Amino acid sequence: AQSVTQLDSQVPVFEEAPVELRCNYSSSVSVYLFWYVQYPNQGLQLLLKYLSGSTLVKGINGFEAEFNKSQTSFHLRKPSVHISDTAEYFCAVSDPPNSGYALNFGKGTSLLVTP
Amino acid sequence: GAVVSQHPSRVICKSGTSVKIECRSLDFQATTMFWYRQFPKQSLMLMATSNEGSKATYEQGVEKDKFLINHASLTLSTLTVTSAHPEDSSFYICSARAGEWTQYFGPGTRLLVL
Repeated sequence: AQSVTQLDSQVPVFEEAPVELRCNYSSSVSVYLFWYVQYPNQGLQLLLKYLSGSTLVKGINGFEAEFNKSQTSFHLRKPSVHISDTAEYFCAVSDPPNSGYALNFGKGTSLLVTP
Repeated sequence: GAVVSQHPSRVICKSGTSVKIECRSLDFQATTMFWYRQFPKQSLMLMATSNEGSKATYEQGVEKDKFLINHASLTLSTLTVTSAHPEDSSFYICSARAGEWTQYFGPGTRLLVL
C-alpha cells in the first residue's frame, strides 16, 4: 500500500516568513496526494490535492504544493505565514481502487507561527 | 462547506463497557464513510470503510467484533467499541465521502477508558 513520510514533526517559524513542510511518498505507478490541516478541536480540512495535470497545485489560504515525481515528494509551501496558520498539517496518499478512496496519512507536522 | 458531526466529542467509560460513537453527514448523503484512529503525535490510521447497506470493510489488524460499525442510512454511521479496555483509549475520527475525491472529516471523539 502507498505511504507517505513527513520528515518534520515540528516546524517553528516567525510570522510573515516563508515555510515549507516536507512530504515524501512511496513510489507507485499512479499516486494521488493530499494535504490536510487540522486546527485545534476541529476536523481535518482539505488544503489541496494532486490528482493529475500541473505539478504545481494551489490550495486555500495561500498554500501551494509541488508534485515531484523524480524525488517522490509533495512539499507544501507558503510564502508568508500568519499566526492563524498555526495548526497540524497532514500529508496523505490514496491509491484506488485498492483503497476505495481511503487515505493513508503521514504522522503530521505541527506548524507553530510566532510573532 | 459540508459538515460532518461526531457525537459525543468526549467520552469516559469504565473498562468492560461498550461505547457508541456517531458520525453524521449534516447536509449531504454519503454512501461511504471511513473510521480512523489517531494516537497522540501519530498519524490517522484507517480502521474500516463503512458502506451504507452493507458490511464494513476492516483493515488488517482491526478486530471487527470489537469495533462494530453500522451504516444504516446515508447520513449516519456508528462505531461501537465493545468491552472497552484502557488500550482502546484514543481519538476516533470519521470522514464521509461526498464525491470521488472529496471527503469531509468530523471533529473527532476522544475516548478514555478507565
